[in-house]
Amino acid sequence: KAGVTQTPRYLIKTRGQQVTLSCSPISGHRSVSWYQQTPGQGLQFLFEYFSETQRNKGNFPGRFSGRQFSNSRSEMNVSTLELGDSALYLCASSLEAISPLHFGNGTRLTVT
Amino acid sequence: QQQVKQSPQSLIVQKGGISIINCAYENTAFDYFPWYQQFPGKGPALLIAIRPDVSEKKEGRFTISFNKSAKQFSLHIMDSQPGDSATYFCAASMSDYKLSFGAGTTVTVRA
Repeated sequence: KAGVTQTPRYLIKTRGQQVTLSCSPISGHRSVSWYQQTPGQGLQFLFEYFSETQRNKGNFPGRFSGRQFSNSRSEMNVSTLELGDSALYLCASSLEAISPLHFGNGTRLTVT
Repeated sequence: QQQVKQSPQSLIVQKGGISIINCAYENTAFDYFPWYQQFPGKGPALLIAIRPDVSEKKEGRFTISFNKSAKQFSLHIMDSQPGDSATYFCAASMSDYKLSFGAGTTVTVRA
């Protein structure tokens, strides 16, 4: 069974631009979560979607948004990029409530 | 503010030795405590998890010990191998998918 797939693996953007990251969950998984990983702040929860509905949101500014499609694939968008948005963005999927999270290998975003 | 405090930040252990990583939490509503292992360039992978109704769980060389009254839990890696060299994260959640992670521990196993 294929794991969680994130594209692209690497991105370089300039301050002020916007970016869209993509995530394909494990087949059959309906929940998709996004996390930001940085050396300073560690792993921080961004948001979680289930059946196209956002159920949980972390403490990030409104520039960070996401959505989930009917096939459970998810996208995350960051607008008006700042230098501090440089991070590894991880997507994770799970079957449903109270089940293990399976992470992808992330998208490394560098903002210059 | 970090809801889960993890220590040590890094540790070095000889092959065959025991690695011990400790975590503490404040929120008594947490009811799920997983440990993740992450290699460079990879996403975290679930290693083992425990719920508060169990004091210990063992899977192969990995054991979680859980102390509900002290609000602490730890990971023991027995017979550490060079392949165990990685960063380990403890986490906690209220079964609402939102995992609060510790800061991570980099484990280096010397051959």
